[in-house]
Amino acid sequence: QKEVEQDPGPLSVPEGAIVSLNCTYSNSAFQYFMWYRQYSRKGPELLMYTYSSGNKEDGRFTAQVDKSSKYISLFIRDSQPSDSATYLCAMNTGNQFYFGTGTSLTVIP
Amino acid sequence: DVKVTQSSRYLVKRTGEKVFLECVQDMDHENMFWYRQDPGLGLRLIYFSYDVKMKEKGDIPEGYSVSREKKERFSLILESASTNQTSMYLCASSRQGARSNQPQHFGDGTRLSIL
Repeated sequence: QKEVEQDPGPLSVPEGAIVSLNCTYSNSAFQYFMWYRQYSRKGPELLMYTYSSGNKEDGRFTAQVDKSSKYISLFIRDSQPSDSATYLCAMNTGNQFYFGTGTSLTVIP
Repeated sequence: DVKVTQSSRYLVKRTGEKVFLECVQDMDHENMFWYRQDPGLGLRLIYFSYDVKMKEKGDIPEGYSVSREKKERFSLILESASTNQTSMYLCASSRQGARSNQPQHFGDGTRLSIL
């Protein structure tokens, strides 16, 4: 079993839709939970990170962590064509980082 | 803003060549990492370093070595390039936390082709 599981998609939504991206994990020792956005031919850009269970909001983005279910989500409200990218979840314990394989999102104008 | 700079965006080399990929970060981060990213396989850790002159093997270190002579610079070396090392190479850095490393920040990657 992989440490982090992420549905690769692809996911295609109309502009203005609410997008939900999800990851599950198996290691209860994970401490930081992160979401990265990666545009084509660019490096991953840190979008959100949280240290605990619950919700964290930043503009149109909300990161949600449920440690009891070992499940994290990223919600994008009022999605825009500029949100079209691959989204990677990540988490770590100590020095070890674990990444999902990424979900490809396309927002259609 | 954190800036991680990789020296080349695109690189084409020949089989058997010794290849150097350079990475510099400007945030005084203790930790630096090299990954390769391949379709369907995600990010795979090659090497990381938590201090100057210190290095640790990641998941796929074979065929690679690293050098960290200064805190801000971390180099990846392909000793004798092979076609299966054609990939996107990503450098990252992070601050050492009290109990856990803080989130990583990535460079824009080097797309390396070995012919």
